[in-house]
Amino acid sequence: KAGVTQTPRYLIKTRGQQVTLSCSPISGHRSVSWYQQTPGQGLQFLFEYFSETQRNKGNFPGRFSGRQFSNSRSEMNVSTLELGDSALYLCASSWDNEQFFGPGTRLTVL
Amino acid sequence: GIQVEQSPPDLILQEGANSTLRCNFSDSVNNLQWFHQNPWGQLINLFYIPSGTKQNGRLSATTVATERYSLLYISSSQTTDSGVYFCAVEDGGTSYGKLTFGQGTILTVHP
Repeated sequence: KAGVTQTPRYLIKTRGQQVTLSCSPISGHRSVSWYQQTPGQGLQFLFEYFSETQRNKGNFPGRFSGRQFSNSRSEMNVSTLELGDSALYLCASSWDNEQFFGPGTRLTVL
Repeated sequence: GIQVEQSPPDLILQEGANSTLRCNFSDSVNNLQWFHQNPWGQLINLFYIPSGTKQNGRLSATTVATERYSLLYISSSQTTDSGVYFCAVEDGGTSYGKLTFGQGTILTVHP
């Protein structure tokens, strides 16, 4: 089976812009979770989707949003980018509890 | 929320040495996973181990859920074992899809 894929792998944006990141889960996995990794805060949970419904949300501002499509692919969007949004964004998919991670999208905000 | 503490924060070894990484968590868990983060940032699954003991080659892990800790053992370490090791847990409530990560152990293996 193919693993979790994320696009794009690298992204450079400027403050105030918005960005959309994409995640394709392992075939058959219906749950997709998103995480942000920064040197200061470590790995933090953003949100989780299952069958197109957000079931759980972390402690991030409303500028961070996501959605899931009927084929389980997921996108996350960050609006009005800030310098502090520079991070590695990771998505993970799961069938039961075990999560499998994609390679991540490295976002730099200038 | 659940707290996850990993120790030691840093570990430096000579090739061939053995090591033990520890993960303490503050509440009951549905899920506990160990990951190795490679230099490009990808999290590689090592073990899914909410309880019990598992082994995979030179690596093994034990979780004692009643005492709220997990151990990752690396035997005969190799330079390719270098990197950051994370423990992550999903608590026993309705934390759908939410893993809480420890701060990681940075392992450096010298030839």
